[in-house]
Amino acid sequence: DARVTQTPRHKVTEMGQEVTMRCQPILGHNTVFWYRQTMMQGLELLAYFRNRAPLDDSGMPKDRFSAEMPDATLATLKIQPSEPRDSAVYFCASGLNYGTSSYNSPLHFGNGTRLTVT
Amino acid sequence: AQTVTQSQPEMSVQEAETVTLSCTYDTSESDYYLFWYKQPPSRQMILVIRQEAYKQQNATENRFSVNFQKAAKSFSLKISDSQLGDAAMYFCAYRSQFPSAAGNKLTFGGGTRVLVKP
Repeated sequence: DARVTQTPRHKVTEMGQEVTMRCQPILGHNTVFWYRQTMMQGLELLAYFRNRAPLDDSGMPKDRFSAEMPDATLATLKIQPSEPRDSAVYFCASGLNYGTSSYNSPLHFGNGTRLTVT
Repeated sequence: AQTVTQSQPEMSVQEAETVTLSCTYDTSESDYYLFWYKQPPSRQMILVIRQEAYKQQNATENRFSVNFQKAAKSFSLKISDSQLGDAAMYFCAYRSQFPSAAGNKLTFGGGTRVLVKP
């Protein structure tokens, strides 16, 4: 059963440290999304890739956050420097999108990375 | 931009009874998808049911069914014969049908917590 894999599952770090979260999308999927979940804001879209190209990162604080896809099997989300307000659960999701076609597969989510910044 | 609203922060239901979760959305598009996702304490986001806006027939998946009212922009979820395993957060989500700049990103509501009493 194919699934999106996220590592680490939990991360506790001190303010000012760099944090890297990784995501392995489902093989064959060409879209990857990063969402952040907090009690106050709910689920917010941070960044979106299609065919490894960033299409939308308007939800991401650019001064400290960066998202990349070094290859089709790996997506990364980095925070440098981390702050206590970054504490949240970060989800990666992948899907299949055929560009101009109307077909869009459902998104499949990973189990998330719970980040705590002290 | 599309918005999704879930007005019930929490709902309680007796085991074997039925509960209905509300969701309304705002969009100027005529073609789109609507989803209900379940998030149990394990954090995993699980797709429960999806509805294409062009379909008049309401989607059904076993004990889960929706009441889709396109004109009213309403998309409620009914859980019949509730089971203890149904206890979770439930999120309503919207997605455009056509890729364009929005791609197949999901816009989520704030969630409704469902409690199931034995």
